Amino acid sequence: TQLLEQSPQFLSIQEGENLTVYCNSSSVFSSLQWYRQEPGEGPVLLVTVVTGGEVKKLKRLTFQFGDARKDSSLHITAAQPGDTGLYLCAGPTGGFKTIFGAGTRLFVKA
Amino acid sequence: DAGVIQSPRHEVTEMGQEVTLRCKPISGHNSLFWYRQTMMRGLELLIYFNNNVPIDDSGMPEDRFSAKMPNASFSTLKIQPSEPRDSAVYFCASTPGTASSGNTIYFGEGSWLTVV
Repeated sequence: TQLLEQSPQFLSIQEGENLTVYCNSSSVFSSLQWYRQEPGEGPVLLVTVVTGGEVKKLKRLTFQFGDARKDSSLHITAAQPGDTGLYLCAGPTGGFKTIFGAGTRLFVKA
Repeated sequence: DAGVIQSPRHEVTEMGQEVTLRCKPISGHNSLFWYRQTMMRGLELLIYFNNNVPIDDSGMPEDRFSAKMPNASFSTLKIQPSEPRDSAVYFCASTPGTASSGNTIYFGEGSWLTVV
């Protein structure tokens, strides 16, 4: 069974700090996605990484896909209160399915 | 374009009652998913449809849960009878292709269910 493990589970930081959250698996994924979920809403896609070693940047967010395509990281530079939310990684498995990690709940204090 | 539309947004019901959650996927999307989210278990896939056909319902917790997709623009998730442990946020989502192709999954805002 393919699983995605995310760490840390919770993170509370001050505005302006940098942070990195991780998504790990023992299985190889053809791609991984990162979603952000704000309170009271559904998850929204941030990025899809496809190639091992790939790095994608979205403003202050940097996403990396591991060389072996088993892990991914999300780095946020100079976090802002608007970054607060639940960050989920997701990956496709066989037969149309996508599985999600348990998420990292981030709180950025002003 | 309208996103995935779910109803009701919130429902509080008594144990033993029937609950029906409704979903309208994004027009043109041919895959539809029902997820359940709790603090303890995170986001769990319950069932997904492709071209209105249920492909995998292995995530449906038990016989009390059933889902239908009578046409491309409508799906329901029914719980009968409901139990307190069914309390969760239920998300409907859709994607234009298959999830295995890495397509974006578009989620609705969720139906917040509380069974007392």
